[in-house]
Amino acid sequence: DQQVKQNSPSLSVQEGRISILNCDYTNSMFDYFLWYKKYPAEGPTFLISISSIKDKNEDGRFTVFLNKSAKHLSLHIVPSQPGDSAVYFCAASGQGNLIFGKGTKLSVKP
Amino acid sequence: DAGVIQSPRHEVTEMGQEVTLRCKPISGHDYLFWYRQTMMRGLELLIYFNNNVPIDDSGMPEDRFSAKMPNASFSTLKIQPSEPRDSAVYFCASSFTGNQPQHFGDGTRLSIL
Repeated sequence: DQQVKQNSPSLSVQEGRISILNCDYTNSMFDYFLWYKKYPAEGPTFLISISSIKDKNEDGRFTVFLNKSAKHLSLHIVPSQPGDSAVYFCAASGQGNLIFGKGTKLSVKP
Repeated sequence: DAGVIQSPRHEVTEMGQEVTLRCKPISGHDYLFWYRQTMMRGLELLIYFNNNVPIDDSGMPEDRFSAKMPNASFSTLKIQPSEPRDSAVYFCASSFTGNQPQHFGDGTRLSIL
């Protein structure tokens, strides 16, 4: 049973617009959440994280929102750029190791 | 800065053969993780070490899989004997603490014929 779910396998967005990637989790003991970006033939690269004591964390064009009551987090990319095209993984941590979602492939079209 | 280094990048071998994947974590990182990525199951944790000691190996699929960390700068993941269903991309990652972001290597793409 998946503890971390990314229900959209793919997302296509126009350059300059907002990309919103979603993630749901089931375990209320998770207290730390991360987003990773992955290009083909490379390992995942850490993008941004959020602790469960916060509901928002911002880093440049990237913002992560956490809704604990809904067990939902989202990653917003504004404005989206063609170089953002990649697979994005959501991950959750509760005891030192990470549980990953299956990823969402984002395509940003010029 | 040197990141996590994995070798080989690609491995193609016949079923029944022993396969050894290697990882050099980032210097100073106390945690090391081995993951497997497949289309069906996504990115799944196989095992992780803290200070060279295996902490959780519940993700290791079978006794054919084993992992060691003889020192702070080297780890291996072995599959013996290998089977076609072991074909996947295997990633190694390391982190400074258990709750810090993990840094991934570029993976080993394993194909068992």
